[in-house]
Amino acid sequence: SQKIEQNSEALNIQEGKTATLTCNYTNYSPAYLQWYRQDPGRGPVFLLLIRENEKEKRKERLKVTFDTTLKQSLFHITASQPADSATYLCALDGTGFQKLVFGTGTRLLVSP
Amino acid sequence: ETGVTQSPTHLIKTRGQQVTLRCSSQSGHNTVSWYQQALGQGPQFIFQYYREEENGRGNFPPRFSGLQFPNYSSELNVNALELDDSALYLCASRPEGGSVHEQYFGPGTRLTVT
Repeated sequence: SQKIEQNSEALNIQEGKTATLTCNYTNYSPAYLQWYRQDPGRGPVFLLLIRENEKEKRKERLKVTFDTTLKQSLFHITASQPADSATYLCALDGTGFQKLVFGTGTRLLVSP
Repeated sequence: ETGVTQSPTHLIKTRGQQVTLRCSSQSGHNTVSWYQQALGQGPQFIFQYYREEENGRGNFPPRFSGLQFPNYSSELNVNALELDDSALYLCASRPEGGSVHEQYFGPGTRLTVT
């Protein structure tokens, strides 16, 4: 069966450290993978998209890698700040180009 | 702010009732998608509308239906509410010709079914 798995346990790190979140998928062949941030009571906000032919993408303190052999994406936040505390969702294209399939999200807590 | 608004913010309904949720997108956003997000889960795709026609549907029964209007607003209707319908309902819009990553999500409507 098709699955997108993210760590369901919250990730607790100290301010200034690098946070690394994992997204694994099974029985999908996505053309791209996206990462979103979601704050409590708010809708997801798009952060980064990486295509299947890209190994790595960066945006300011964010970095995403995409390994189609391992069927895994890693999302890194360097020099993390308490304001980075949120739930981070990965999403990939499911059946039909326009449909997004989301993982369950990982909650990140950055303490001062 | 994404420019996508949803109403109401919160809603409590009784099992068996019907509910209508509303979404207002930015001008020029001809595609709107609706998602259901249960507590602790990621959003699940319900359906998508483009220029007032449904053009994609997820694994949801027919009692979930929608409408899209020419003024960039849309509705999600759910009939015969069940307890499991309790969730955050999100709409996301996309501009004409925009790639799928340009989805702008609204803040959601929290529906509680008792």
